[in-house]
Amino acid sequence: AQTVTQSQPEMSVQEAETVTLSCTYDTSESDYYLFWYKQPPSRQMILVIRQEAYKQQNATENRFSVNFQKAAKSFSLKISDSQLGDAAMYFCAYRSLLRSEKLVFGKGTKLTVNP
Amino acid sequence: GAGVSQSPSNKVTEKGKDVELRCDPISGHTALYWYRQSLGQGLEFLIYFQGNSAPDKSGLPSDRFSAERTGGSVSTLTIQRTQQEDSAVYLCASSRQVTGGNYEQYFGPGTRLTVT
Repeated sequence: AQTVTQSQPEMSVQEAETVTLSCTYDTSESDYYLFWYKQPPSRQMILVIRQEAYKQQNATENRFSVNFQKAAKSFSLKISDSQLGDAAMYFCAYRSLLRSEKLVFGKGTKLTVNP
Repeated sequence: GAGVSQSPSNKVTEKGKDVELRCDPISGHTALYWYRQSLGQGLEFLIYFQGNSAPDKSGLPSDRFSAERTGGSVSTLTIQRTQQEDSAVYLCASSRQVTGGNYEQYFGPGTRLTVT
């Protein structure tokens, strides 16, 4: 079974600075998807960024980018120019390409943005 | 258009009672998922539907939990004889299509269930 590990329960960053959230995963599959979701206090899960494992190029979405290291099974999220609205729980998630449609989540990292 | 909606937003029930949680997916989304978010366990998959059938029920924690989906739209998650360990936020998500495609799962705001 696949597992996702987020080793940082909490992180903090100063407004306008850069922060990196870590995620590692375990799988025997070669094709899969990886995601970062944001969950603000409203509880609404919002997709931040996604990565297909077959793509070598790291995904980017505006201020959000990932460092995908397939061999190391690592998928970190970098937030540049942090804003107060970035404060939330961030979840890393894995989805198999073929075996299952469910998302397997890490336990999350709580990000605080200090003004 | 409208997002995924869930009702009720909050539910407090007494131990031993049955509860029903409702999910309205985004119109046209054929896939629907239920997850549970609790303090000790994080986010766990419960069940997913493709149309009205449930190809994967592997996450349902016990036979007290069941779910159905009718008309390829609304889904109801039922918990019978609730226990205190059932207290959690129940999240529903929907997506356009499944079967290997990279379709985003859109989440609802969840139902917070408290069993007293």
